[in-house]
Amino acid sequence: SYELTQPPSVSVSPGQTARITCSGNALPKKCAYWYQQKSGQAPVLVIYEDSKRPSGIPERFSGSSSGTMATLTISGAQVEDEADYYCYSTDSSGNLEFGGGTKLTVL
Amino acid sequence: EVQLVESGGGLVQPGGSLRLSCAASGFTFSRYWMSWVRQAPGKRLEWVANIKHDGSDKYYVDSVKGRFTISRDNAKNSLFLQMKSLRAEDTAVYYCARGFIFRDESGYEYYFDYWGQGTLVTVSS
Repeated sequence: SYELTQPPSVSVSPGQTARITCSGNALPKKCAYWYQQKSGQAPVLVIYEDSKRPSGIPERFSGSSSGTMATLTISGAQVEDEADYYCYSTDSSGNLEFGGGTKLTVL
Repeated sequence: EVQLVESGGGLVQPGGSLRLSCAASGFTFSRYWMSWVRQAPGKRLEWVANIKHDGSDKYYVDSVKGRFTISRDNAKNSLFLQMKSLRAEDTAVYYCARGFIFRDESGYEYYFDYWGQGTLVTVSS
């Protein structure tokens, strides 16, 4: 199966930049997607196709991908951005995988 | 506004069966792939199954093949997941999600753009 690896946790102070990474062997050829999941809620798509932002997602959320690593950046993180963030991608064999999730703390 | 509302979860004994439903609204259901994704307590998200917009193609994660069946009724804007031979490890919140698929140079890309609130399935004696 295909594995996507994320750090378990990231912590920043309000207004700082938070960066969450996701590594996977297929990322040079496949897109990365990022989902935000607040406690007890359903996931919400915040970045698709490496760097595109869905309508309604604040501009402070951005994404990038280079080689085997994708990065979600939250510029000027706010308390309401506290959540679990999951990267997601596929591989050439059709495996659909989520990363282990990163708990973002903003305090 | 896209809305996905799951139902049908509950407590079931190991070896039992359960049928989940997802009512879709706010978009043309028959034009989209649909998926089920689950999340065991405290665990990562796990894709379970996909179904093509017309129901002609279905895909499953290996751990549920032969036990779960995804289906849809486009006339009723509804998605289903029939689960049988349930195991303790199937305990999870099950989310209905709309899929988006497109071709790229290495095959295809598939992702989930809208999710329901989920329904809890607990497999326990």
